[in-house]
Amino acid sequence: DIVMTQSPDSLAVSLGERATINCKSSQSLLYSSNNKNYLAWYQQKPGQPPKLLIYWASTRESEVPDRFSGSGSGTDFTLTINSLQAEDVAVYYCQQYYGTPRTFGQGTKVEIK
Amino acid sequence: QVQLHQWGAGLLKPSETLSLTCGVSGASSSGYYWSWIRQPPGKGLEWIGEISHSGTSNYNPSLKSRVTMSVDTSNNQISLKLTSVSAADTAVYYCAKLGGTWLQPLKFFDHWGQGSLVTVSS
Repeated sequence: DIVMTQSPDSLAVSLGERATINCKSSQSLLYSSNNKNYLAWYQQKPGQPPKLLIYWASTRESEVPDRFSGSGSGTDFTLTINSLQAEDVAVYYCQQYYGTPRTFGQGTKVEIK
Repeated sequence: QVQLHQWGAGLLKPSETLSLTCGVSGASSSGYYWSWIRQPPGKGLEWIGEISHSGTSNYNPSLKSRVTMSVDTSNNQISLKLTSVSAADTAVYYCAKLGGTWLQPLKFFDHWGQGSLVTVSS
Protein backbone atom coordinates (compact mmCIF):
# COMPACT_ATOMS: atom_id res chain seq x y z
CA ASP A 1 0.00 0.00 0.00
CA ILE A 2 1.09 3.58 -0.64
CA VAL A 3 1.39 5.31 2.73
CA MET A 4 0.42 8.97 2.89
CA THR A 5 1.87 11.04 5.73
CA GLN A 6 0.69 14.57 6.44
CA SER A 7 2.38 17.23 8.51
CA PRO A 8 1.65 18.85 10.81
CA ASP A 9 -1.22 17.00 12.51
CA SER A 10 -2.70 20.37 13.44
CA LEU A 11 -1.94 24.05 13.05
CA ALA A 12 -3.38 27.31 14.24
CA VAL A 13 -3.22 30.30 11.89
CA SER A 14 -4.40 33.87 12.32
CA LEU A 15 -7.22 35.10 10.12
CA GLY A 16 -5.82 36.46 6.88
CA GLU A 17 -2.56 34.57 7.22
CA ARG A 18 -1.30 31.58 5.23
CA ALA A 19 -1.74 27.91 6.18
CA THR A 20 0.57 25.30 4.69
CA ILE A 21 -0.08 21.56 4.87
CA ASN A 22 2.38 18.96 3.65
CA CYS A 23 1.72 15.48 2.34
CA LYS A 24 4.39 12.89 1.61
CA SER A 25 3.78 9.60 -0.19
CA SER A 26 5.81 6.42 0.28
CA GLN A 27 6.27 6.17 -3.49
CA SER A 28 6.08 8.53 -6.41
CA LEU A 29 2.60 9.53 -7.54
CA LEU A 30 3.90 10.88 -10.87
CA TYR A 31 2.74 8.80 -13.84
CA SER A 32 5.40 9.21 -16.50
CA SER A 33 3.13 8.56 -19.49
CA ASN A 34 0.99 11.65 -18.86
CA ASN A 35 3.22 13.63 -16.46
CA LYS A 36 0.39 13.88 -13.95
CA ASN A 37 0.54 13.48 -10.18
CA TYR A 38 -2.29 11.29 -8.86
CA LEU A 39 -2.92 13.31 -5.70
CA ALA A 40 -6.11 14.95 -4.42
CA TRP A 41 -6.92 17.18 -1.45
CA TYR A 42 -10.17 17.27 0.55
CA GLN A 43 -11.65 19.53 3.19
CA GLN A 44 -13.87 18.06 5.91
CA LYS A 45 -15.84 20.27 8.26
CA PRO A 46 -17.37 18.82 11.47
CA GLY A 47 -20.39 16.63 10.80
CA GLN A 48 -19.97 16.87 7.03
CA PRO A 49 -18.56 14.58 4.34
CA PRO A 50 -15.23 15.50 2.79
CA LYS A 51 -15.29 17.96 -0.08
CA LEU A 52 -12.94 17.72 -3.06
CA LEU A 53 -10.68 20.78 -3.30
CA ILE A 54 -7.87 19.83 -5.66
CA TYR A 55 -6.95 16.96 -7.97
CA TRP A 56 -3.94 16.23 -10.18
CA ALA A 57 -2.04 17.81 -7.26
CA SER A 58 -2.77 21.35 -8.44
CA THR A 59 -6.07 21.53 -10.35
CA ARG A 60 -8.71 23.34 -8.35
CA GLU A 61 -12.20 21.80 -8.40
CA SER A 62 -14.90 24.10 -9.76
CA GLU A 63 -16.20 26.70 -7.30
CA VAL A 64 -13.32 26.19 -4.89
CA PRO A 65 -11.97 29.62 -3.87
CA ASP A 66 -8.65 30.52 -5.43
CA ARG A 67 -7.06 31.03 -2.00
CA PHE A 68 -6.68 27.23 -2.04
CA SER A 69 -3.75 25.99 -4.10
CA GLY A 70 -1.88 22.74 -4.47
CA SER A 71 1.70 22.12 -5.50
CA GLY A 72 4.38 19.47 -5.54
CA SER A 73 5.37 16.44 -7.54
CA GLY A 74 6.60 12.91 -7.09
CA THR A 75 6.39 12.21 -3.37
CA ASP A 76 6.09 15.66 -1.79
CA PHE A 77 2.98 17.83 -2.01
CA THR A 78 1.63 20.96 -0.37
CA LEU A 79 -1.79 22.46 0.14
CA THR A 80 -1.67 26.21 0.74
CA ILE A 81 -4.54 28.29 2.03
CA ASN A 82 -3.80 31.95 1.42
CA SER A 83 -5.55 34.54 3.58
CA LEU A 84 -7.25 32.06 5.92
CA GLN A 85 -10.94 32.68 6.49
CA ALA A 86 -13.06 31.55 9.44
CA GLU A 87 -14.94 29.12 7.18
CA ASP A 88 -11.68 27.32 6.37
CA VAL A 89 -11.56 25.74 9.84
CA ALA A 90 -11.63 22.04 9.01
CA VAL A 91 -9.59 18.88 8.70
CA TYR A 92 -7.73 18.51 5.41
CA TYR A 93 -6.81 15.18 3.83
CA CYS A 94 -4.59 14.22 0.94
CA GLN A 95 -5.41 11.10 -1.09
CA GLN A 96 -3.41 9.17 -3.65
CA TYR A 97 -5.14 7.56 -6.61
CA TYR A 98 -2.00 6.23 -8.27
CA GLY A 99 -2.45 2.75 -6.84
CA THR A 100 -4.89 0.39 -5.19
CA PRO A 101 -5.94 0.55 -2.42
CA ARG A 102 -6.61 4.28 -2.58
CA THR A 103 -5.15 5.73 0.60
CA PHE A 104 -5.51 8.94 2.56
CA GLY A 105 -3.25 10.90 4.84
CA GLN A 106 -4.17 10.96 8.51
CA GLY A 107 -5.54 14.49 8.26
CA THR A 108 -4.41 17.95 9.34
CA LYS A 109 -6.67 20.04 11.55
CA VAL A 110 -6.64 23.77 10.79
CA GLU A 111 -7.81 26.16 13.50
CA ILE A 112 -7.85 29.90 14.02
CA LYS A 113 -5.17 31.35 16.27
CA GLN B 1 -26.40 18.70 -9.60
CA VAL B 2 -25.27 15.29 -8.43
CA GLN B 3 -26.65 14.24 -5.06
CA LEU B 4 -26.08 11.03 -3.13
CA HIS B 5 -28.50 9.96 -0.41
CA GLN B 6 -27.65 7.03 1.82
CA TRP B 7 -29.72 4.75 4.01
CA GLY B 8 -29.41 1.50 5.93
CA ALA B 9 -29.37 -0.05 9.39
CA GLY B 10 -27.40 1.93 11.92
CA LEU B 11 -27.03 -0.56 14.76
CA LEU B 12 -25.74 -4.08 14.27
CA LYS B 13 -24.65 -6.93 16.49
CA PRO B 14 -21.30 -8.66 16.01
CA SER B 15 -21.32 -11.22 13.19
CA GLU B 16 -24.27 -9.55 11.41
CA THR B 17 -24.14 -8.14 7.88
CA LEU B 18 -23.92 -4.42 7.23
CA SER B 19 -26.11 -3.31 4.36
CA LEU B 20 -26.19 0.24 2.99
CA THR B 21 -27.72 1.76 -0.12
CA CYS B 22 -26.85 4.99 -1.88
CA GLY B 23 -29.43 6.62 -4.14
CA VAL B 24 -28.10 8.78 -6.96
CA SER B 25 -29.82 11.83 -8.39
CA GLY B 26 -28.54 14.21 -11.01
CA ALA B 27 -26.39 11.54 -12.67
CA SER B 28 -26.73 8.07 -14.11
CA SER B 29 -25.24 5.27 -12.07
CA SER B 30 -24.16 3.66 -15.34
CA GLY B 31 -22.05 6.63 -16.28
CA TYR B 32 -19.49 6.56 -13.52
CA TYR B 33 -17.55 4.56 -10.97
CA TRP B 34 -18.72 4.57 -7.36
CA SER B 35 -16.93 4.02 -4.09
CA TRP B 36 -17.57 3.38 -0.44
CA ILE B 37 -15.30 4.97 2.13
CA ARG B 38 -15.53 4.76 5.90
CA GLN B 39 -14.38 6.86 8.83
CA PRO B 40 -14.25 5.51 12.40
CA PRO B 41 -15.38 8.10 14.95
CA GLY B 42 -12.71 10.74 15.38
CA LYS B 43 -10.38 9.05 12.91
CA GLY B 44 -9.29 9.22 9.29
CA LEU B 45 -10.68 7.91 6.02
CA GLU B 46 -10.44 4.32 4.78
CA TRP B 47 -11.27 3.35 1.20
CA ILE B 48 -13.45 0.24 1.04
CA GLY B 49 -13.67 -0.24 -2.71
CA GLU B 50 -15.05 0.91 -6.05
CA ILE B 51 -17.40 -0.45 -8.68
CA SER B 52 -18.83 0.38 -12.09
CA HIS B 53 -22.23 -0.56 -13.51
CA SER B 54 -20.56 -3.29 -15.55
CA GLY B 55 -19.45 -4.97 -12.35
CA THR B 56 -15.79 -4.03 -12.64
CA SER B 57 -14.67 -3.66 -9.06
CA ASN B 58 -11.68 -3.19 -6.80
CA TYR B 59 -11.82 -3.80 -3.08
CA ASN B 60 -9.42 -2.97 -0.29
CA PRO B 61 -7.49 -6.18 0.39
CA SER B 62 -8.01 -5.63 4.10
CA LEU B 63 -11.78 -6.03 3.62
CA LYS B 64 -12.04 -7.94 0.36
CA SER B 65 -13.17 -11.25 1.86
CA ARG B 66 -16.18 -9.58 3.52
CA VAL B 67 -17.23 -6.88 1.01
CA THR B 68 -19.69 -6.93 -1.85
CA MET B 69 -20.64 -3.85 -3.85
CA SER B 70 -23.24 -3.64 -6.58
CA VAL B 71 -24.87 -1.12 -8.90
CA ASP B 72 -28.61 -1.20 -9.63
CA THR B 73 -28.93 0.87 -12.76
CA SER B 74 -32.71 0.51 -12.96
CA ASN B 75 -33.11 2.24 -9.59
CA ASN B 76 -29.95 4.36 -9.87
CA GLN B 77 -28.57 2.96 -6.62
CA ILE B 78 -25.30 1.63 -5.32
CA SER B 79 -25.14 -0.84 -2.46
CA LEU B 80 -22.60 -2.10 0.04
CA LYS B 81 -22.65 -5.31 2.04
CA LEU B 82 -20.06 -6.12 4.68
CA THR B 83 -20.38 -9.49 6.38
CA SER B 84 -19.33 -10.68 9.83
CA VAL B 85 -19.05 -7.20 11.32
CA SER B 86 -17.27 -6.50 14.59
CA ALA B 87 -16.75 -3.43 16.75
CA ALA B 88 -13.82 -2.51 14.50
CA ASP B 89 -16.32 -1.86 11.70
CA THR B 90 -18.04 0.91 13.67
CA ALA B 91 -17.73 3.98 11.48
CA VAL B 92 -19.46 6.56 9.35
CA TYR B 93 -19.82 5.05 5.89
CA TYR B 94 -19.83 7.29 2.83
CA CYS B 95 -20.75 6.55 -0.75
CA ALA B 96 -18.91 8.67 -3.27
CA LYS B 97 -18.82 9.27 -7.00
CA LEU B 98 -15.47 9.03 -8.76
CA GLY B 99 -14.35 11.68 -11.18
CA GLY B 100 -14.22 11.18 -14.93
CA THR B 101 -16.56 8.66 -16.56
CA TRP B 102 -16.96 4.91 -16.37
CA LEU B 103 -14.89 4.64 -19.55
CA GLN B 104 -12.14 6.88 -18.21
CA PRO B 105 -12.50 6.99 -14.44
CA LEU B 106 -10.42 9.36 -12.37
CA LYS B 107 -9.99 7.74 -9.00
CA PHE B 108 -10.65 10.73 -6.77
CA PHE B 109 -14.04 11.46 -5.22
CA ASP B 110 -15.93 14.49 -6.48
CA HIS B 111 -19.31 13.94 -4.82
CA TRP B 112 -20.07 12.37 -1.43
CA GLY B 113 -23.16 11.13 0.36
CA GLN B 114 -24.10 12.55 3.71
CA GLY B 115 -22.67 9.60 5.59
CA SER B 116 -24.29 6.79 7.58
CA LEU B 117 -23.16 5.99 11.11
CA VAL B 118 -23.03 2.25 11.66
CA THR B 119 -22.43 1.07 15.19
CA VAL B 120 -21.59 -2.54 15.99
CA SER B 121 -22.33 -3.47 19.57
CA SER B 122 -23.63 -6.48 21.43
